[in-house]
Amino acid sequence: QKEVEQNSGPLSVPEGAIASLNCTYSDRGSQSFFWYRQYSGKSPELIMFIYSNGDKEDGRFTAQLNKASQYVSLLIRDSQPSDSATYLCAVNAYSSASKIIFGSGTRLSIRP
Amino acid sequence: DVKVTQSSRYLVKRTGEKVFLECVQDMDHENMFWYRQDPGLGLRLIYFSYDVKMKEKGDIPEGYSVSREKKERFSLILESASTNQTSMYLCASSPETGPFGVEYFGPGTRLTVT
Repeated sequence: QKEVEQNSGPLSVPEGAIASLNCTYSDRGSQSFFWYRQYSGKSPELIMFIYSNGDKEDGRFTAQLNKASQYVSLLIRDSQPSDSATYLCAVNAYSSASKIIFGSGTRLSIRP
Repeated sequence: DVKVTQSSRYLVKRTGEKVFLECVQDMDHENMFWYRQDPGLGLRLIYFSYDVKMKEKGDIPEGYSVSREKKERFSLILESASTNQTSMYLCASSPETGPFGVEYFGPGTRLTVT
């Protein structure tokens, strides 16, 4: 069983709508949670991280964490074509960056 | 705005060659990483370094070694390249303090071994 699961997509969302990306994880001891964006042919870029249950907002992005249900979500408001990319979820249950586990990513396509 | 640089974007090598991939970061980060990324397999950690001359094996260290003689530089060495090492190689760095993720990735080196 994969430790960090994401739907591979593609997830197609109309421009201007809210894109919702989900990620589940298996280790209940997980402490820190990350979202990365990766454009085709490029390297991943850290968008945001979250530690605590609830929502964390940064511009058009909101990360949502529910530790009881073991899922973390990324909402993208007012989706733009430039948001079309693969989004990687990553989770860490330890206080060492080497223990971070990445999901395989969800491909998001914003249609004009 | 340079943060993490890698010596080559594309590299073609022959089976059996010794290959050096170089990475430099300018953020004074303690942690540096080498990952490879393959379709369907995601990101896999090859080696991690948390300080100069300190290293830790990742999930797939076989066939690779690393060197970190200076804080800003982390090298990945393929001792004898094989075709199954054809991949995208990503260097990354992060500070030793939280949030214990990977903060910056380099642009990647696409290595083809023929």
